[in-house]
Amino acid sequence: EAQVTQNPRYLITVTGKKLTVTCSQNMNHEYMSWYRQDPGLGLRQIYYSMNVEVTDKGDVPEGYKVSRKEKRNFPLILESPSPNQTSLYFCASSFYGASDTLHFGNGTRLTVT
Amino acid sequence: AQSVTQPDIHITVSEGASLELRCNYSYGATPYLFWYVQSPGQGLQLLLKYFSGDTLVQGIKGFEAEFKRSQSSFNLRKPSVHWSDAAEYFCAVVGGSNDYKLSFGAGTTVTVRA
Repeated sequence: EAQVTQNPRYLITVTGKKLTVTCSQNMNHEYMSWYRQDPGLGLRQIYYSMNVEVTDKGDVPEGYKVSRKEKRNFPLILESPSPNQTSLYFCASSFYGASDTLHFGNGTRLTVT
Repeated sequence: AQSVTQPDIHITVSEGASLELRCNYSYGATPYLFWYVQSPGQGLQLLLKYFSGDTLVQGIKGFEAEFKRSQSSFNLRKPSVHWSDAAEYFCAVVGGSNDYKLSFGAGTTVTVRA
């Protein structure tokens, strides 16, 4: 089944403890992207990747890192999480970019205390 | 930079009634426009998109949207709402085919009453 898989679905952590949210797609998509969703703000793009080893900042990249060593994986790294990063995170992928149909994962709800 | 405004935070509609969700965008040229739907606890699913051509776009689940350049709008409509249409709806814009940034509106939550 074609899908975007995020793990974990729920994560509670403490301030400053490094964490990684994984994202994997099995559709051979070139483009992958991370978003955070906050009430009243919709989804905001954190980082995106046009292809392996090619990444760029979205609208809210501060406090996040990403890597794209393989086409299928695009992990989101929080080196030193803070409470303002408490949010719902979505990974998405498509064949060629944001103008293509995006396929979304089911989300990761992160709480930083 | 492009931006999207969804003026309605929450809409309540009776089952069987019509639904219209508003979306206004800001972008210098003709953008690529999208409507996505998010059911509770789920990721987002594309309902429809507009790139060019016919300004009335048909999507899945009986939805349609109309692009109006003069009003910078891309409103979503459905003639007869079903209880399963209760969800959050997001309008989104990309600045062009080479633009990798997708900007979303704040979303409109639709409640369907029996």
